[in-house]
Amino acid sequence: QPVLTQSSSASASLGSSVKLTCTLSNGHSSYIIAWHQQQPGKAPRYLMKLEASGTYNKGSGVPDRFSGSSSGADRYLTISNLQSEDEADYYCETWGSNTHGVFGGGTKLTVL
Amino acid sequence: EVKLVESGGGLIQPGGSLRLSCAASGFTVSTNYMSWVRQAPGKGLEWVSVIYSGGSTYYADSVKGRFTISRDNSKNTLYLQMNSLRVEDTAVYYCAREAGSGYYYVNYWGQGTLVTVSA
Repeated sequence: QPVLTQSSSASASLGSSVKLTCTLSNGHSSYIIAWHQQQPGKAPRYLMKLEASGTYNKGSGVPDRFSGSSSGADRYLTISNLQSEDEADYYCETWGSNTHGVFGGGTKLTVL
Repeated sequence: EVKLVESGGGLIQPGGSLRLSCAASGFTVSTNYMSWVRQAPGKGLEWVSVIYSGGSTYYADSVKGRFTISRDNSKNTLYLQMNSLRVEDTAVYYCAREAGSGYYYVNYWGQGTLVTVSA
């Protein structure tokens, strides 16, 4: 089954850009993932589906500042023009042939 | 507009039972894959269970044999019956809709309901 690895934390300045990484385990580099955002004290919010090709489809209402890309087993979430409300935990998710809901450990993004 | 509203959480003693509900609107529960995902305090997301549109159900090993997922099509509502609760089941439980059409990721989340298992 796939395993997703994320850095535990990241930080970037207000108005700048940040690129978060989610890495798929060996043998699973073709897998589709989803990115979710969880602001402090709130429920998760679906951001986008991201394919191995780099094609991404965002959820309803997700700002243009959010984009996705891929390289090999790595899946990226780029946030441009960082706003204070982007300070949140970001989770990637995929699934396996025998399991749903494989989540990464999450990255805590701090906006400086 | 898709909306998921959970209820039924609360404080329960170890060994007790609780039933969570998730009232859906804006779509039909029975034609979608529906999941429960939980988050222990200060921890990440953990998938708990799924019910397919055809009715098949699957569970995480940590809850297998203790939790049961079901739905009431007439009420467009998803349920999670939780028995033999343990302290480690303490978490916020989220109802979630999966994207479907061969894609098994969450594309809609409820607001969550807190379950606290403590003596």
